[in-house]
Amino acid sequence: KAGVTQTPRYLIKTRGQQVTLSCSPISGHRSVSWYQQTPGQGLQFLFEYFSETQRNKGNFPGRFSGRQFSNSRSEMNVSTLELGDSALYLCASSSGQGPHTEAFFGQGTRLTVV
Amino acid sequence: DAKTTQPNSMESNEEEPVHLPCNHSTISGTDYIHWYRQLPSQGPEYVIHGLTSNVNNRMASLAIAEDRKSSTLILHRATLRDAAVYYCILRENYGGSQGNLIFGKGTKLSVKP
Repeated sequence: KAGVTQTPRYLIKTRGQQVTLSCSPISGHRSVSWYQQTPGQGLQFLFEYFSETQRNKGNFPGRFSGRQFSNSRSEMNVSTLELGDSALYLCASSSGQGPHTEAFFGQGTRLTVV
Repeated sequence: DAKTTQPNSMESNEEEPVHLPCNHSTISGTDYIHWYRQLPSQGPEYVIHGLTSNVNNRMASLAIAEDRKSSTLILHRATLRDAAVYYCILRENYGGSQGNLIFGKGTKLSVKP
């Protein structure tokens, strides 16, 4: 079956702009999480959605937001982009909830802010 | 902060077994131990997970210490394709939520032909 799909794969934006990234989870998966990966900070959790509800949120400023649609697809939005937002943004989906479930990651969206 | 401690890097020869250690001395009774790996230019990939007993799957084996304060990921025969950063993660039970994955620095595994 198809894996987690993230679009676009690459993006270049200017400081101050906003950006929306998209994630289509594996069919049947209702849980979607987002992560930011940078060389300095590594992989950091942004937020988790399950059935259109945000369940967990990481320690990121309010410029970072997300949502999940009824078909489980998810988007994340970053407003007023800063140079430090340049990163690989990864989306992961899971079939259910609970700490025993495995997460399946997409290839990520590489965002460059200039 | 990450609740696991792993060596920064390890080297292995192709076709030989690899034992990747992980310390998690503050693990609670309901935390699951997960391992993921990230190949260059790809998203992380699930490898294996366990709670108390040793686990085997087609990719690897997970050996969990009796006191659960440490675990070891075992790759039985390393191949060049196994060169990646390996992350040991404790996944907490948030009472219904999947719980976010808290990634540490991981262990960068190099495999020599």
